[in-house]
Amino acid sequence: DIHMTQSPSSRSASVGDRVTITCRASQSISRQLNWYQQKPGKAPKLLIYAASSLQSGVPSRFSGSGSGTEFTLTINSLQPEDLATYYCQQSYSPPNTFGQGTRLEIK
Amino acid sequence: QVQLQESGPGLVKPSETLSLTCTVSGGSISSYYWTWIRQPPGKGLEWIGYIYNSGTYSGTTNYNPSLKSRVTMSLDTSKKQFSLKLSSVTAADTAVYYCARRVVVVIANSYYYYMDVWGKGTTVTVSS
Repeated sequence: DIHMTQSPSSRSASVGDRVTITCRASQSISRQLNWYQQKPGKAPKLLIYAASSLQSGVPSRFSGSGSGTEFTLTINSLQPEDLATYYCQQSYSPPNTFGQGTRLEIK
Repeated sequence: QVQLQESGPGLVKPSETLSLTCTVSGGSISSYYWTWIRQPPGKGLEWIGYIYNSGTYSGTTNYNPSLKSRVTMSLDTSKKQFSLKLSSVTAADTAVYYCARRVVVVIANSYYYYMDVWGKGTTVTVSS
């Protein structure tokens, strides 16, 4: 299985901050990387697919980058509604494993 | 707008079989990969597997090796439903179970897969 590692595991930031979350794969996965946002008590929601493509309807303050083994999710100008846990997922090969999640708190 | 809804017992006894169904509404069940994911209380997401529904390859499955010996997925296209069965459950199978639609897109001659529509999830507790 491909192991996905996110950092940090948790982060606290203020409204308006720029936040970066990193995801590393245990082997190269090209650009087969997706990002999901999960708000408390809710199902995950797709933010970014193919490493950097923004899902329709997702605010443009979210962006993704990277290829190979290292990927980044960036949130520009953090908003209160961005309080959530963020997960990366590789779609390179089954099982399509997830990172352990990054819990984002708003100061 | 496509919506997914999980249904099934909320309580299952140890050693028995967990059975869940996901109903697709507002869109087609054809030409997609239908996926199950679970999340134990307070923990992260675990990919269980998918079943594919399109033409000659309809019914093709791919399961997480860690669960493969206990998992069966099936489709009922007439009801626009797909199902998950997990046998010989233990307390470790207690989780919120989600169904999701996995889609494929082509970007610069490469195929990319992601889950764009999710159900709200259903909680399954394994306990006697």
